[in-house]
Amino acid sequence: EVHLVESGGGLVKPGGSLRLSCAASGFTFSSYSMNWVRQAPGKGLEWVSSISASSSYIYYADSVKGRFTISRDNAKNSLFLQMNSLRAEDTAVYYCARDSREGGTGWSIDPWGQGTLVTVSS
Amino acid sequence: DIQMTQSPSTLSASVGDRVTITCRASQSISSWLAWYQQKPGKAPKLLIFEASSLQSGVPSRFSGSGSGTEFTLTISSLQPDDFATYYCHQYNSYPGTFGQGTKLEIK
Repeated sequence: EVHLVESGGGLVKPGGSLRLSCAASGFTFSSYSMNWVRQAPGKGLEWVSSISASSSYIYYADSVKGRFTISRDNAKNSLFLQMNSLRAEDTAVYYCARDSREGGTGWSIDPWGQGTLVTVSS
Repeated sequence: DIQMTQSPSTLSASVGDRVTITCRASQSISSWLAWYQQKPGKAPKLLIFEASSLQSGVPSRFSGSGSGTEFTLTISSLQPDDFATYYCHQYNSYPGTFGQGTKLEIK
């Protein structure tokens, strides 16, 4: 069974940094593109970033470009999101999620982890 | 960026009803559209991909249709477990964008 487990969320002050991690199991991690999608409290879903299986292709939403960095370690079946210069509007549940299809990038997204809450507040 | 507009934002219906949710893209996305179901406090779950393909394990009462800019998600006979929020998602091009969601409530 596929499992995605996020960690690293918490309370951080504006301008601070946080690193999210996602531990993957139950599938060949190195064969799939991975994504971060966030959801502000009471709001809808917002795609944040994607990384291809070999890290050759990386994409960011304009709202996080230059502040967030996505990376992965295929040897450790792990996905990361380094978040710098955090703002109040970055407050959200951050989901780690796999592309539904092997190979390429930009497929539908499935499955999703349970999410980790990031709160940016002074 | 491609804008996705869902309607209605809220839908009240009863068990056994047939319901349809619509998603419109600001430009053509071919059939690169997915539908997700999300329950409170839970992660989204993929229902439909490529506009009309049913994800494995999803009940057959869910169906999707459309191409280009107009898409629909239909639930043929609502079950108690179906009351949730539904999102469309275009993955034709980056950035992937989601509709604002449709909350399906019990009438």
